[in-house]
Amino acid sequence: DIVMTQSPDSLAVSLGERATINCKSSQSVLYSSNNKNYLAWYQQKSGQPPKVLIYWASTRESGVPDRFSGSGSGTDFTLTISSLQAEDVAVYYCQHYYSTPYTFGQGTQLEIK
Amino acid sequence: QVQLVESGGGVVQPGRSLRLSCAASGFTFNTYPMHWVRQAPGKGLEWVAVTSYDGNNKYYADSVKGRFTISRDNSKNTLSLQMNSLRAEDTAVYYCARSGVAGTGVCCYMDVWGKGTTVTVSS
Repeated sequence: DIVMTQSPDSLAVSLGERATINCKSSQSVLYSSNNKNYLAWYQQKSGQPPKVLIYWASTRESGVPDRFSGSGSGTDFTLTISSLQAEDVAVYYCQHYYSTPYTFGQGTQLEIK
Repeated sequence: QVQLVESGGGVVQPGRSLRLSCAASGFTFNTYPMHWVRQAPGKGLEWVAVTSYDGNNKYYADSVKGRFTISRDNSKNTLSLQMNSLRAEDTAVYYCARSGVAGTGVCCYMDVWGKGTTVTVSS
């Protein structure tokens, strides 16, 4: 099974500042046949279901603000929030969908400093 | 609009069974793979199972393999999760989620989620 490890576990950032969350997979999630990374990022606010932000490692879901961006390839990935807003307080998860089981990272709690 | 509504959760004793349902609307259900994902109280997300758009291919997390069965009724736009031999560690909110890509085996990420149904396994 592919293990997803996020860092840090929690993060406090000032409003308007950049937030960066990292995700590392125990093996590559890059599918060579189509050159796509099978990696998604989700945001979960308190008491709500998760919401997909980014898929294929760097494709922003429709309606997601452009301050959210995803990067990386192979085994190392990053979610960046360029200018933190109050409504971005949430837990963020990475997940691979390269092969079953489709495991999630342990989550990163993002708070306002 | 696109919507998923779970039902069937409740309190059940260890060793007993429970069946969850997910009613889909607002999209062509029979073209999308569908997932179940759970979240234990205060914990992270755990992928549970996936079924292909036609129900012919199903995959499970090791933690539920042999105890849980995912199924779908495309004539009724409904996804189900039959949970047998329940354990305390199965206590969680169970989410139904749609794959973000139609007709692609059992891939991919999840782009539509229900609000979840709570299962509590306790004597």
